[in-house]
Amino acid sequence: EIVLTQSPATLSLSPGEGATLSCRASQSVGSYLAWYQQKPGQAPRLLIYDASNRATGIPARFSGSGSGTDFTLTISSLEPEDFAVYYCQQRINWPPGVTFGQGTRLEVK
Amino acid sequence: EVRLEESGGGLIQPGGSLRLSCVASGLSVSSNYMSWVRQAPGKGLEWVSVIYSGGNTYYAASVRGRFAVSRDNSNNTLYLQMNTLRAEDTAIYYCARDASPGGVWGPSYYFDSWGQGTLVTVSS
Repeated sequence: EIVLTQSPATLSLSPGEGATLSCRASQSVGSYLAWYQQKPGQAPRLLIYDASNRATGIPARFSGSGSGTDFTLTISSLEPEDFAVYYCQQRINWPPGVTFGQGTRLEVK
Repeated sequence: EVRLEESGGGLIQPGGSLRLSCVASGLSVSSNYMSWVRQAPGKGLEWVSVIYSGGNTYYAASVRGRFAVSRDNSNNTLYLQMNTLRAEDTAIYYCARDASPGGVWGPSYYFDSWGQGTLVTVSS
């Protein structure tokens, strides 16, 4: 099973600052990686898929990069609504399956 | 607008069974790849199962042989039958639509629409 390790566990920043979140896979996942945002009491929201493609309606301040085993989610300038938990996710074609990272909590400093 | 609404959660004793439902609107469950994803209280996300538009089903190792995903096309509803429940199955269960456009495209295993979730608590 491919394990995704996210760092840091918690990131404390102020609105207006930039954020960099990391996700490392235990073996190569190519570009098959997504990022989700989850706020308390809500379902996750897809932000980025295939490592660098923004999902529909996602603001341009969110960007993804990386391939193979190392991936990054960058938020260029934090808005108040961006403080949440972020998960990375990979998929494998066969046998079909999905794993998520353990999450990074982005909190207000 | 796509809407997914789960129901059927509750408190159940270990070893018991429960069936979750997910009513869809704005999409056809029979034409989409649909998954169940769960989240233990205060924990991260865990994919549980998928049903393909063609009817194939696949499961995470942790639930294989105990859970079964199905759908009712006439009612546009997705189901998750959960048997031999364990304490570690306690979680919020979400149904989610695969972001694949379908047709000749296979599943993407990225999830672009989610329900609000239903809580399953397995405890004596």
